[in-house]
Amino acid sequence: KAGVTQTPRYLIKTRGQQVTLSCSPISGHRSVSWYQQTPGQGLQFLFEYFSETQRNKGNFPGRFSGRQFSNSRSEMNVSTLELGDSALYLCASSTTSQEKLFFGSGTQLSVL
Amino acid sequence: SQQGEEDPQALSIQEGENATMNCSYKTSINNLQWYRQNSGRGLVHLILIRSNEREKHSGRLRVTLDTSKKSSSLLITASRAADTASYFCATDIGAQKLVFGQGTRLTINP
Repeated sequence: KAGVTQTPRYLIKTRGQQVTLSCSPISGHRSVSWYQQTPGQGLQFLFEYFSETQRNKGNFPGRFSGRQFSNSRSEMNVSTLELGDSALYLCASSTTSQEKLFFGSGTQLSVL
Repeated sequence: SQQGEEDPQALSIQEGENATMNCSYKTSINNLQWYRQNSGRGLVHLILIRSNEREKHSGRLRVTLDTSKKSSSLLITASRAADTASYFCATDIGAQKLVFGQGTRLTINP
């Protein structure tokens, strides 16, 4: 069974640009969560989707958005990038609950 | 503020020794989970302990949970070089999200 796949693995953008990150969950998993990881703030919850519906959202500005498609694949978008958005963005999938998350390798975003 | 606080922030031990990491949290939980992260990679689920459980074992891992003190500990016995990683506790508070602690960086010296 393939694991959680995140693309791209690395991304370099400049301030003001926007970016879209992609996540393909494990087959059969319907819940997809996104986390931002930085050295200063640690792992911060962004949002969680289940069957194309956002069930919860973290304390991030509206520039951060996401969606989930009918095949459970998910994307997150960050508009008007700021230097502070530089981070490792992790996607995780699970069956229905949050009892065991399977993480992808992440997308390392650098904003210059 | 973080739900989970981990102690110590960093731990360095000799191969073969036991490693103990602690996690404290603030609110009631459904379960508490431990994850491992190798440098710059995704997290790997290690073990889950439910709020009505006090101790759980998995291979060389032993987890305890004290809900009265809102704390948990992870013990890795007979450590190996491959155990070098960051370890995170994560609490499930029932809001369709996990809240992660800041992590403990464990280094196993040969």
